[in-house]
Amino acid sequence: AQTVTQSQPEMSVQEAETVTLSCTYDTSESDYYLFWYKQPPSRQMILVIRQEAYKQQNATENRFSVNFQKAAKSFSLKISDSQLGDAAMYFCAILMVAGGTSYGKLTFGQGTILTVHP
Amino acid sequence: DAGVTQSPTHLIKTRGQQVTLRCSPKSGHDTVSWYQQALGQGPQFIFQYYEEEERQRGNFPDRFSGHQFPNYSSELNVNALLLGDSALYLCASTFSLLGDEKLFFGSGTQLSVL
Repeated sequence: AQTVTQSQPEMSVQEAETVTLSCTYDTSESDYYLFWYKQPPSRQMILVIRQEAYKQQNATENRFSVNFQKAAKSFSLKISDSQLGDAAMYFCAILMVAGGTSYGKLTFGQGTILTVHP
Repeated sequence: DAGVTQSPTHLIKTRGQQVTLRCSPKSGHDTVSWYQQALGQGPQFIFQYYEEEERQRGNFPDRFSGHQFPNYSSELNVNALLLGDSALYLCASTFSLLGDEKLFFGSGTQLSVL
C-alpha cells in the first residue's frame, strides 16, 4: 500500500514571497503519478500540478513548480510570487499505475493549510 | 461546458437512515470515482465506476454502494448511517482513454449525520 505524508499542518507566506510545501510518499511501485491539489473554501479540489514518476524533469505550471526527488520519495511544491488567491488547503497525492490502468484511486496526504498575508 | 456537478450540496440525516448522493460527470467523461473527506483530513477513495460496473473499491464497508447509469452519471448510496459517516463526499470524473491522471472533481456534498 502507498502512503503520503505532509508534515506541515500549516504554513504562512507574505504576498509576493515564495513558499515551499513538503510532501513525502512511500510506494514499492515504479509507475505512478504525483499531484498537488488545492482546496479553497468552496471545497472543490483543483489540480495545481502533476508529475509523472518516469520523468526526471521537474514539472512547472506558471508560478508553481515541484522538486521531485524520486530516490528520496520527496515531492515538494514551490509557490513563487504568492497571491492572496493562493490561500487554501493544499493536498499532495499519488496515483498508482499497474498494467497501464490506475482505477482512479488517488491516495492523499493530510493537507497543509496555506495562509497568505497582504 | 459544465464540469462535474453534485447534488445535493448539503444534507442532514439521522443515524440509521439511508442516503443517496448524485454526480454528473464532466461532458465527455465516462468514469466516475467517489471519495470521502472527513473534516481536516485528505479524501479517501471509496470506489470507481466504469461501464456501469464497480471497477475498484477502497476500504469501505458494504453499507457504501454505488451505481452508474447509461448516461455515465452515478449515485452513491450509504445505508444504516453512522455518526462517523459525516463528511464531504467528492465525486471525480475522467475519460477512460485519457487515464485517471486527468481527474476533475466536483464541489462535493456535505453530509451531516445527527
